[in-house]
Amino acid sequence: KAGVTQTPRYLIKTRGQQVTLSCSPISGHRSVSWYQQTPGQGLQFLFEYFSETQRNKGNFPGRFSGRQFSNSRSEMNVSTLELGDSALYLCASSLEGGTDGYTFGSGTRLTVV
Amino acid sequence: AQTVTQSQPEMSVQEAETVTLSCTYDTSESDYYLFWYKQPPSRQMILVIRQEAYKQQNATENRFSVNFQKAAKSFSLKISDSQLGDAAMYFCAYEETSYDKVIFGPGTSLSVIP
Repeated sequence: KAGVTQTPRYLIKTRGQQVTLSCSPISGHRSVSWYQQTPGQGLQFLFEYFSETQRNKGNFPGRFSGRQFSNSRSEMNVSTLELGDSALYLCASSLEGGTDGYTFGSGTRLTVV
Repeated sequence: AQTVTQSQPEMSVQEAETVTLSCTYDTSESDYYLFWYKQPPSRQMILVIRQEAYKQQNATENRFSVNFQKAAKSFSLKISDSQLGDAAMYFCAYEETSYDKVIFGPGTSLSVIP
């Protein structure tokens, strides 16, 4: 079966711009979680969606938002980009939530210049 | 707040040897899940092994096994017969059953020496 698909793989944006990242989970998975990965902070939880509802949110500013569609595909949006937003953004899908184990996508590498 | 600690930022092992990666966590809960994830240089994170806290038996997946010490809040990963393909960053992770957030440790970078 198809894995978790994240698009695009790479992005270069300018400070102040906004960006939208997309994640298509494994068929049948209803939970999608987003993580930001940086060398300094490691993996930090952004938010988790289940059946179009945000169930949990990490400690990120309101510039970070997301949503999930009825087909379980998810998008995350970052507005007013800052240099510190440069990171690898990982999407992970699971059946009900992370307790059954995540399947990760390959990530989107965002560079803010 | 729950935290996950991996005290070994880097480790190395000779091919075909055994290596153990350490992980400790802090929680006041009695029911939770623990995981080891592997992130090779290609960067796609892969689930290696999963342990349910209420199960006494240590989880095993082929060459990978864990030593789960609930009272000590310790969850180490043992890799037997190490292979070159085992070279990766390994993350220990924790999740409570009542939450939907997985907390990751800082990772251990494992090198395999031919």
